[in-house]
Amino acid sequence: DAGITQSPRHKVTETGTPVTLRCHQTENHRYMYWYRQDPGHGLRLIHYSYGVKDTDKGEVSDGYSVSRSKTEDFLLTLESATSSQTSVYFCAISESSGSTGELFFGEGSRLTVL
Amino acid sequence: GDSVTQMEGPVTLSEEAFLTINCTYTATGYPSLFWYVQYPGEGLQLLLKATKADDKGSNKGFEATYRKETTSFHLEKGSVQVSDSAVYFCALRTQGGSEKLVFGKGTKLTVNP
Repeated sequence: DAGITQSPRHKVTETGTPVTLRCHQTENHRYMYWYRQDPGHGLRLIHYSYGVKDTDKGEVSDGYSVSRSKTEDFLLTLESATSSQTSVYFCAISESSGSTGELFFGEGSRLTVL
Repeated sequence: GDSVTQMEGPVTLSEEAFLTINCTYTATGYPSLFWYVQYPGEGLQLLLKATKADDKGSNKGFEATYRKETTSFHLEKGSVQVSDSAVYFCALRTQGGSEKLVFGKGTKLTVNP
């Protein structure tokens, strides 16, 4: 199994509070991704990173920011959580940008915003 | 933009039944196509993939053939087991420097004994 650890795995918070989710990898892969999974929507890309300090937006980036100061860590921050951000968040990593490259996923972080 | 459409679920089958989950795509260029599976409480894992037209991906008894003429990548298995109960996602990744994987909405499969 790919070495991907997400933390926390479960979190309940209140509207308006900041939340940070952490993704840690031991594979030294260049590319890292944050997806959210919601019923009826499948997985949607929030942000991704193609190297240290290099990030870009996905299709649902509003209300989220990311940072990658080290190859192994990719942080997702909700500056002021809203109920619409209640979701399961998945981190993924990939070794290459080639179209044949496989993504490896973490086990997910379930966030509930009350 | 690039997109994936897969059949709505949920799908409920009896053990040893034949499975088909339809997937069609829209993409610029020549994408690679993937099927991912998500077992309850877990993250997604790659089931199979195909990188060019007419390629067949296969794994664990599942198969899918990349059909460029119909822009399809349907997932099939001849005899499902209870342990195949999961959510299945079709996905594509395009060439030309795109690092992103685009997913369908997922199809939940339940196999009853």
